Amino acid sequence: DAGVTQSPTHLIKTRGQQVTLRCSPKSGHDTVSWYQQALGQGPQFIFQYYEEEERQRGNFPDRFSGHQFPNYSSELNVNALLLGDSALYLCASSLVRLNTGELFFGEGSRLTVL
Amino acid sequence: AQSVTQLDSQVPVFEEAPVELRCNYSSSVSVYLFWYVQYPNQGLQLLLKYLSGSTLVKGINGFEAEFNKSQTSFHLRKPSVHISDTAEYFCAVSDHNAAGNKLTFGGGTRVLVKP
Repeated sequence: DAGVTQSPTHLIKTRGQQVTLRCSPKSGHDTVSWYQQALGQGPQFIFQYYEEEERQRGNFPDRFSGHQFPNYSSELNVNALLLGDSALYLCASSLVRLNTGELFFGEGSRLTVL
Repeated sequence: AQSVTQLDSQVPVFEEAPVELRCNYSSSVSVYLFWYVQYPNQGLQLLLKYLSGSTLVKGINGFEAEFNKSQTSFHLRKPSVHISDTAEYFCAVSDHNAAGNKLTFGGGTRVLVKP
């Protein structure tokens, strides 16, 4: 049973560029959430997708956008990158009918903005 | 709004000694509580969870946690640590009433197990 998979694992961008990160949820899961984890901090909720729509959103600017596909996989897009966007981006999947907060995380995509 | 405070940013501990990681939360509604572990260069793995019922929760790798509603705490303990327990530990809460599975995390506690 494949867990949550994310790609790429590492990437380097320069300020002002755009980046797309990808996530495949755990088999059987229908909800994908994205978190940003800055160095030395806890993960911060960016947004959550269910049924191809953004269901909840954290306190992140519109430069952060996402998409969910019919096969439940998801993308996170960040435009006009800033140095402060350097972080580990974690994707987590869950099953909407099990509304208990338990998430299954991928290993993350580490973004460095120079 | 919810918040989670992990009172210790770093906890050094000798191998085979006990360890306790403290977590306090703030919420105006009932919550579910979680501890996740993050090994170096990896994602987060669930250690244990409190959803309801017994306030003492046992998890993987010999960890346990106790939910104390009056003190709004959910401290994590292990009676005897191993070198392999060196990792960062995150306490998290989820609102019973919130739509979807959204977690609010604490800032983390880095555990360094010394031989």
